[in-house]
Amino acid sequence: AQTVTQSQPEMSVQEAETVTLSCTYDTSESDYYLFWYKQPPSRQMILVIRQEAYKQQNATENRFSVNFQKAAKSFSLKISDSQLGDAAMYFCAYRSLLTGTASKLTFGTGTRLQVTL
Amino acid sequence: NAGVTQTPKFQVLKTGQSMTLQCAQDMNHEYMSWYRQDPGMGLRLIHYSVGAGITDQGEVPNGYNVSRSTTEDFPLRLLSAAPSQTSVYFCASSNIPNSPLHFGNGTRLTVT
Repeated sequence: AQTVTQSQPEMSVQEAETVTLSCTYDTSESDYYLFWYKQPPSRQMILVIRQEAYKQQNATENRFSVNFQKAAKSFSLKISDSQLGDAAMYFCAYRSLLTGTASKLTFGTGTRLQVTL
Repeated sequence: NAGVTQTPKFQVLKTGQSMTLQCAQDMNHEYMSWYRQDPGMGLRLIHYSVGAGITDQGEVPNGYNVSRSTTEDFPLRLLSAAPSQTSVYFCASSNIPNSPLHFGNGTRLTVT
């Protein structure tokens, strides 16, 4: 079974600065997907960014980018130019490509990000 | 486009009561799943379905039942609620493996 570890329960960043959230995972599979989800106080789960394991290029979405190190099984999220609206809980998640697993995600325990003025 | 709709948003039950959390999606997604979110534990998979008539257990299935009679609906039943089932419940759906999960807005359940 896969596991996902987020070792930073809480992080803080000043507005306009850059912050990196860590995520490591364990799997014996060679192909899979990795995701970062954001959960603001509204409780909504919002997809931030995703990465296909077979792609060496790191995914980017505007101010959000990842550092995907497949050999090290590491998948960190970098938020540039942090904004007050980025304050939320962030979850790292793993999805297998095995048949029938499209709705099965394994989540980390989350990192709560505070953004200060 | 409604996406994934969960009802109710909040619910309080007494120990031993039963109830059904409703989940419906209008995107014709084959894959649906239920997660529970507890403080410090992230989201954990309860049950999932790969299509109408097909369900399977996830990581924490005990105390919960599901069925999938239609593509659109995937209700989660608590037969005899226990305080340990106090949690926030999320329903999610997807169509193909490389598309992200679409989540409902969650149900906060309290069992006293």
